[in-house]
Amino acid sequence: GQQVMQIPQYQHVQEGEDFTTYCNSSTTLSNIQWYKQRPGGHPVFLIQLVKSGEVKKQKRLTFQFGEAKKNSSLHITATQTTDVGTYFCAVLSGYALNFGKGTSLLVTP
Amino acid sequence: DGGITQSPKYLFRKEGQNVTLSCEQNLNHDAMYWYRQDPGQGLRLIYYSQIVNDFQKGDIAEGYSVSREKKESFPLTVTSAQKNPTAFYLCASSIGRAANQPQHFGDGTRLSIL
Repeated sequence: GQQVMQIPQYQHVQEGEDFTTYCNSSTTLSNIQWYKQRPGGHPVFLIQLVKSGEVKKQKRLTFQFGEAKKNSSLHITATQTTDVGTYFCAVLSGYALNFGKGTSLLVTP
Repeated sequence: DGGITQSPKYLFRKEGQNVTLSCEQNLNHDAMYWYRQDPGQGLRLIYYSQIVNDFQKGDIAEGYSVSREKKESFPLTVTSAQKNPTAFYLCASSIGRAANQPQHFGDGTRLSIL
């Protein structure tokens, strides 16, 4: 099945700074999903990208799917303490999803 | 409210003991999944089921077993053959049988060894 590498593993920012996490694959992806997991919580679905070059926005979050459909990014503008958590990308692997290892974001007030 | 309920929230297992984690959903979803999460790790797929009375092994099925006798229920048994069972276990479901649907997760069960 398809595999993804997520970088960075950890990111520590000051509140108000921007944050970006990347998800990379060696093969072409059919689609990609993004999830957020708050500390002590469970993953929550954020968005799914399907089309080459697709860009979707949710308030301060911008999601992008690469033109070659081999990578994706999640960008948060002006982070807030509520953005703390781990962000996972997930890709199709057979009849299930394969999750990246996630990027843990820590935001200092 | 519709959702996924996992129980118990915390579970302790003695050596040589089998334990069963419960997962119930009232979302009328066809597919259900079990994941294991270790600290600093992503989610690793244990088993999944696309339809009642059918399930498939995931990447780390050894030492685990499941059943899917009802659409809304997908219990996971951690057997004594699983030598390192301490982890956070997450159950999820998705509408339809295709894997490219968003997954909805329960609150998880934390399993520890006594």
